[in-house]
Amino acid sequence: DAGITQSPRHKVTETGTPVTLRCHQTENHRYMYWYRQDPGHGLRLIHYSYGVKDTDKGEVSDGYSVSRSKTEDFLLTLESATSSQTSVYFCAISARDNEQFFGPGTRLTVL
Amino acid sequence: AQTVTQSQPEMSVQEAETVTLSCTYDTSESDYYLFWYKQPPSRQMILVIRQEAYKQQNATENRFSVNFQKAAKSFSLKISDSQLGDAAMYFCAYRGSSYTSGTYKYIFGTGTRLKVLA
Repeated sequence: DAGITQSPRHKVTETGTPVTLRCHQTENHRYMYWYRQDPGHGLRLIHYSYGVKDTDKGEVSDGYSVSRSKTEDFLLTLESATSSQTSVYFCAISARDNEQFFGPGTRLTVL
Repeated sequence: AQTVTQSQPEMSVQEAETVTLSCTYDTSESDYYLFWYKQPPSRQMILVIRQEAYKQQNATENRFSVNFQKAAKSFSLKISDSQLGDAAMYFCAYRGSSYTSGTYKYIFGTGTRLKVLA
């Protein structure tokens, strides 16, 4: 357990509304990631961070932005949610031995 | 770009039997890491086993072992003495050695759903 929490765990929202998902870690890991999981696609990287205020895009970054103002928090924002962003979102950190530890996931439904 | 392919969307195995899940990948790098993750219905991602590409010896963790064929770019997972609790989605993942923008990227396959029959 790498001390990773995600909030909220479930959210239902309407098309066009902004949504922010939070990832919080307690072990001061430098690298953090946001993925989305959809049937038939596995996990796809949205954005990642390699330090405070240092972020970069992943393979499916369109429509998403991130911020990391503190080591422990990595925020994912959907500026204007669309139905195609209905998914399960996972936060992860990269730890010792190069393995990733994952948060419990957030199920987001955009109506 | 690196890719990871899991060609078996679903597999079934009888309890106490052995099953092998397939994973192939494509890369031009010589140094990298490979992982198998398990995702039970709880949705939590759990690391099952990891393999460093520079190691010849196949990794083993209790009932889980891998068959790592570097030349063939194959990384299969063998589960021995299958148990009901092994039923889950299994993901193969690749982490390259290319250091881009200060971090490493991980690439996941699409997953194999394993059913364990009592």
